[in-house]
Amino acid sequence: GAGVSQSPSNKVTEKGKDVELRCDPISGHTALYWYRQSLGQGLEFLIYFQGNSAPDKSGLPSDRFSAERTGGSVSTLTIQRTQQEDSAVYLCASSPKNGGGGYTFGSGTRLTVV
Amino acid sequence: GESVGLHLPTLSVQEGDNSIINCAYSNSASDYFIWYKQESGKGPQFIIDIRSNMDKRQGQRVTVLLNKTVKHLSLQIAATQPGDSAVYFCAENFGNEKLTFGTGTRLTIIP
Repeated sequence: GAGVSQSPSNKVTEKGKDVELRCDPISGHTALYWYRQSLGQGLEFLIYFQGNSAPDKSGLPSDRFSAERTGGSVSTLTIQRTQQEDSAVYLCASSPKNGGGGYTFGSGTRLTVV
Repeated sequence: GESVGLHLPTLSVQEGDNSIINCAYSNSASDYFIWYKQESGKGPQFIIDIRSNMDKRQGQRVTVLLNKTVKHLSLQIAATQPGDSAVYFCAENFGNEKLTFGTGTRLTIIP
């Protein structure tokens, strides 16, 4: 597609439930990133995929968070046993090359845990 | 430690005036800096970037200045327009793939 697509745009879930967030990067972009943005805060790095390399998971806040990227394209971020502190906007970005900025971000998924 | 901070959380500017948004960073090894603009309900949008071997870079109505001596980065927006109202983030890269973002400055353009 023309841009990075994320779905759903909004998600309300009950505490303790699992959620899956989807990201469709720009076709041909080899790098894919997940960030989290809490209200009034900056962007917190979660995980990074580059081609077929092992992902950099150093930003995942707990083992309840996981992500995968299938076929070097679509990525899914899964949060298990959601907690209220997981409420945030989850942003996905892709980049055509390794390193540097120039990310293209999606519009994000706003997750609310009630 | 590594950090990217902003001096002011909010900034109001009269339409047509110039605005300056500031950012401080602490990692002298950072080699690449980027400014992003985020409008309500949207993801951050790339504005302009600068490498650490440069002091200044200009775009359309925007200029980024980098002062490595005091580890300071600024974004200047000339002749501000209502559409410039947004949150502006600076971000730094240490030669790896991850960007570290600051908290952001909310710029409001007053008609």
